[in-house]
Amino acid sequence: EAGVAQSPRYKIIEKRQSVAFWCNPISGHATLYWYQQILGQGPKLLIQFQNNGVVDDSQLPKDRFSAERLKGVDSTLKIQPAKLEDSAVYLCASRPGLGGQTQYFGPGTRLLVL
Amino acid sequence: GNSVTQMEGPVTLSEEAFLTINCTYTATGYPSLFWYVQYPGEGLQLLLKATKADDKGSNKGFEATYRKETTSFHLEKGSVQVSDSAVYFCALGNRDDKIIFGKGTRLHILP
Repeated sequence: EAGVAQSPRYKIIEKRQSVAFWCNPISGHATLYWYQQILGQGPKLLIQFQNNGVVDDSQLPKDRFSAERLKGVDSTLKIQPAKLEDSAVYLCASRPGLGGQTQYFGPGTRLLVL
Repeated sequence: GNSVTQMEGPVTLSEEAFLTINCTYTATGYPSLFWYVQYPGEGLQLLLKATKADDKGSNKGFEATYRKETTSFHLEKGSVQVSDSAVYFCALGNRDDKIIFGKGTRLHILP
């Protein structure tokens, strides 16, 4: 079974530029999460989708971050404009919709904002 | 609110040494508890989990027991290998399907 796919793996941009990350969850997984992991810290939830609807985006800085999950499968996370403090690894995770709490993580996208 | 506290690293051990990484939690209700591992350049992988008090999760020689009385979920391994070098995250999951992670403990195993 294929795992969670993310791209790109690495991205370097200058502050005030925009950037987008893509995630393809495990086939059939209804729930999708985006996390931000700053160096030396644990992952912090940004947004949770159930199919193509948002369940929780309370920690998403909505003035600059946006996310969508069209057709309830792939998802994109966008930052516009980026700030220096957005430098982090952005992790995507998915989970089957019914039962269980185990989340399956992708390899992450490492973002460096200069 | 819910939170997880784990011992700070880095932890450096020699190969075949005994490993303990402490983890305590604060939660309402009866959370599930997890240990995730992150190898260099990779995403997080579930190492083991326990869903109720006194459950023991185990995988790849690692073990952790869900202790409700001490609100702890310490990770142990009897004999570590160089390949165990990674960052280990203790985490809890509640009924709202969210997982809260600790800050992570970096483990270095010397040959």
